[in-house]
Amino acid sequence: NAGVTQTPKFRILKIGQSMTLQCAQDMNHNYMYWYRQDPGMGLKLIYYSVGAGITDKGEVPNGYNVSRSTTEDFPLRLELAAPSQTSVYFCASTHQETQYFGPGTRLLVL
Amino acid sequence: GQQVMQIPQYQHVQEGEDFTTYCNSSTTLSNIQWYKQRPGGHPVFLIQLVKSGEVKKQKRLTFQFGEAKKNSSLHITATQTTDVGTYFCANSNSGYALNFGKGTSLLVTP
Repeated sequence: NAGVTQTPKFRILKIGQSMTLQCAQDMNHNYMYWYRQDPGMGLKLIYYSVGAGITDKGEVPNGYNVSRSTTEDFPLRLELAAPSQTSVYFCASTHQETQYFGPGTRLLVL
Repeated sequence: GQQVMQIPQYQHVQEGEDFTTYCNSSTTLSNIQWYKQRPGGHPVFLIQLVKSGEVKKQKRLTFQFGEAKKNSSLHITATQTTDVGTYFCANSNSGYALNFGKGTSLLVTP
């Protein structure tokens, strides 16, 4: 199994641009999550999904959107990038309350 | 969600010294999970504690859950340079979403 994969690894965006962060898992996990991690901080939950077609907001959802059309994929969409969205984004999936994280996407908004 | 606070924020030790990080909550926790994140890496699950007073060991790492289930600790005996990283505690609520502490960054110098 590849586990949780994320693309791209790194991206620079201009203010106002949009992009989609991709996340996929091949472990057939129903629960998937998006977190952001700012320097020196823990992880904050953006959105999560309990299964295909079901998503819900986390602690910091503003400026983001998600979709879950399949069990495997859970993309995160930024519509109008802002400097405050500069961060490292981690996707994760859960099995028996243990979270498995992807390698992360480092995003810089200038 | 239930907030968890971690202390200290940073710790610098000489190789061979012991290290302890603490995780505290004002409310009773259903469980505590511990994760390790190497510099530039992603969080990796270490262990989960669910029972009052529970103590678990993994080689040089000892994890403890308080009797009142409001605090937890991670103790590393005789640190090695491979122990460098940030250690996070987290607790899960409904839907398996995790609330993370801000982490303790450990630096080990030879």
